Amino acid sequence: NAGVTQTPKFQVLKTGQSMTLQCAQDMNHEYMSWYRQDPGMGLRLIHYSVGAGITDQGEVPNGYNVSRSTTEDFPLRLLSAAPSQTSVYFCASSYSTPGTNYGYTFGSGTRLTVV
Amino acid sequence: QQQVKQSPQSLIVQKGGISIINCAYENTAFDYFPWYQQFPGKGPALLIAIRPDVSEKKEGRFTISFNKSAKQFSLHIMDSQPGDSATYFCAASGGRGSTLGRLYFGRGTQLTVWP
Repeated sequence: NAGVTQTPKFQVLKTGQSMTLQCAQDMNHEYMSWYRQDPGMGLRLIHYSVGAGITDQGEVPNGYNVSRSTTEDFPLRLLSAAPSQTSVYFCASSYSTPGTNYGYTFGSGTRLTVV
Repeated sequence: QQQVKQSPQSLIVQKGGISIINCAYENTAFDYFPWYQQFPGKGPALLIAIRPDVSEKKEGRFTISFNKSAKQFSLHIMDSQPGDSATYFCAASGGRGSTLGRLYFGRGTQLTVWP
């Protein structure tokens, strides 16, 4: 039982490049989210999904795209990387019952540097 | 604007002392209030959580106190140990409307416990 798996763990991009951060969970969780963590800013929600085929924007969605074609996978795409996107990115997932949230399980993170 | 406000930003406590971290929120749609613990280089891990139908929840040395009327909640760590040194995040989410599936975090408190 792997939990939430994020790849890669580290990445350096040049300004303007695109890439996809991968996230997979094997717990059959309905809810999945992407956060970025910056010093002094806590964890800010980028995009989230309440089920396969359903995604929505969080607090800081600009410059990022997501899709959720399966329950297991929730990739995050950086369309044209900018230095402001240098951050640590966390994927998280949670099971749910209608109208009720439970605790999110986080992956170990992807440390992204944009130069 | 920030949905969950957390204080203090940093906290230094002597071994055996009590660590107290406070959080406040405004959105009355929130109905789930977890605390996460994060060690350097790791993803946040769920520590303890509370729902607003109770005023206190205790798990070992960790206690959440919840004041629904004041829209405040706090984490108390009794008999603090050096191994508790980490960053602590409060969070809030809801089971309906715009809060469904979204977990909002405070900015974090860096706790240092001196031996």
